[in-house]
Amino acid sequence: EVQLVESGGGVVRPGGSLRLACAASGFTFDDYGMSWVRQAPGKGLEWVSGINWNGAKKGYADSVRDQFTVSRDNAKNSLYLQMNSLRVEDTALYYCARGGFYSDSTAYIPHIDIWGKGTAVTVSS
Amino acid sequence: DIVLTQSPGTLSLSPGERATLSCRASQTFSSKYLAWYQQKPGQAPRLLIYGAATRATGISGRFTGSGSGTDFTLTISRLEPEDFAVYYCQKYGTSPLTFGGGTRVEIK
Repeated sequence: EVQLVESGGGVVRPGGSLRLACAASGFTFDDYGMSWVRQAPGKGLEWVSGINWNGAKKGYADSVRDQFTVSRDNAKNSLYLQMNSLRVEDTALYYCARGGFYSDSTAYIPHIDIWGKGTAVTVSS
Repeated sequence: DIVLTQSPGTLSLSPGERATLSCRASQTFSSKYLAWYQQKPGQAPRLLIYGAATRATGISGRFTGSGSGTDFTLTISRLEPEDFAVYYCQKYGTSPLTFGGGTRVEIK
């Protein structure tokens, strides 16, 4: 079964840091680009960051550029999101997603086809 | 960046009725790169349609995607109780990916 399981969320003070992780299983992880998408409480979806299949290419939303860093470890079938200088407006459910950045076989960014259940990040004083 | 605007914000319909959801882009892009997702309360989004018109695996034939250029449509032919949810369109293909603001389909 294809599965994505996020972890690492929690409550943090403004200016703090968190590192999210996503464990992938049931598919060949290094065939796919991966993404992080977030959803603030009661709001819509926002693509946050993507990384290509081998980690050589990365992309960020303007709202988190220079603040968040995406990475992956293909040997561990894992995706990460390092979040620094957190702000109240970063409060959201963070989803790990398959797709949404370059795979090993496409010159375009494929659609997201699999989502994890999300991990909640709350930034509050 | 391409902005996607979905309308209406909320659609109030009865089971068995037809739902027509709109997604309009701020500039034209290839229909190969338009997806639709369904999200129910407390759940992650689920892929319904990609390439503007291709149903994802396991998706009912009640769901039809269409459109090109800047105007895209998701049609649900006859609403079933499980179809009441929020629907998002998404542009992919190039970075950044963008989502529309969503259309809530609620029971009238």
